[in-house]
Amino acid sequence: GESVGLHLPTLSVQEGDNSIINCAYSNSASDYFIWYKQESGKGPQFIIDIRSNMDKRQGQRVTVLLNKTVKHLSLQIAATQPGDSAVYFCAERQAGGGNKLTFGTGTQLKVEL
Amino acid sequence: DAGVIQSPRHEVTEMGQEVTLRCKPISGHNSLFWYRQTMMRGLELLIYFNNNVPIDDSGMPEDRFSAKMPNASFSTLKIQPSEPRDSAVYFCASSLLRYTEAFFGQGTRLTVV
Repeated sequence: GESVGLHLPTLSVQEGDNSIINCAYSNSASDYFIWYKQESGKGPQFIIDIRSNMDKRQGQRVTVLLNKTVKHLSLQIAATQPGDSAVYFCAERQAGGGNKLTFGTGTQLKVEL
Repeated sequence: DAGVIQSPRHEVTEMGQEVTLRCKPISGHNSLFWYRQTMMRGLELLIYFNNNVPIDDSGMPEDRFSAKMPNASFSTLKIQPSEPRDSAVYFCASSLLRYTEAFFGQGTRLTVV
């Protein structure tokens, strides 16, 4: 029979549009957050990070927003390209938790031509 | 630096056999992580080390799993005996400091038949 796996949320966008990927994190004590991109057959790759004393950080074509009040993290990708198609994970590191990094379930981004 | 290096990339073994996965972290990094990724459970942290010392092994599923880090440049994850439900992609990652990202290897795809 067919195995039941995690249902990954999927975001489909047109090439050139902006993408917004959301993540709800679990622990209000987390003080460091990272967004990773994972392409098929590869390990997760760092995109951008943010500390809890910030609410916004920008990189090249990417912006991360942090709302600690509602424990929400978002990744904005400007002018989305076909090469951006991948699964995106948010990860949190808990204050006082050593270097333990916990990942969310991920979002599949599909860029349509 | 060549990044985090894992071996083998693929492993197919029979149920009941011992499996050893290997990882070489990035030189100078002082934290090392072992993750397991499956469709059912996503990306799970199994164990992590700081300065070669296991800090949190609460994610190790059973006594069949063990991990060692004899020195700063090498770690192993061993499964003995292996079972079909251990089939997954196992990732090793390393990081330097608390507020820096973890770098992932390419993973080992384990299939237990």
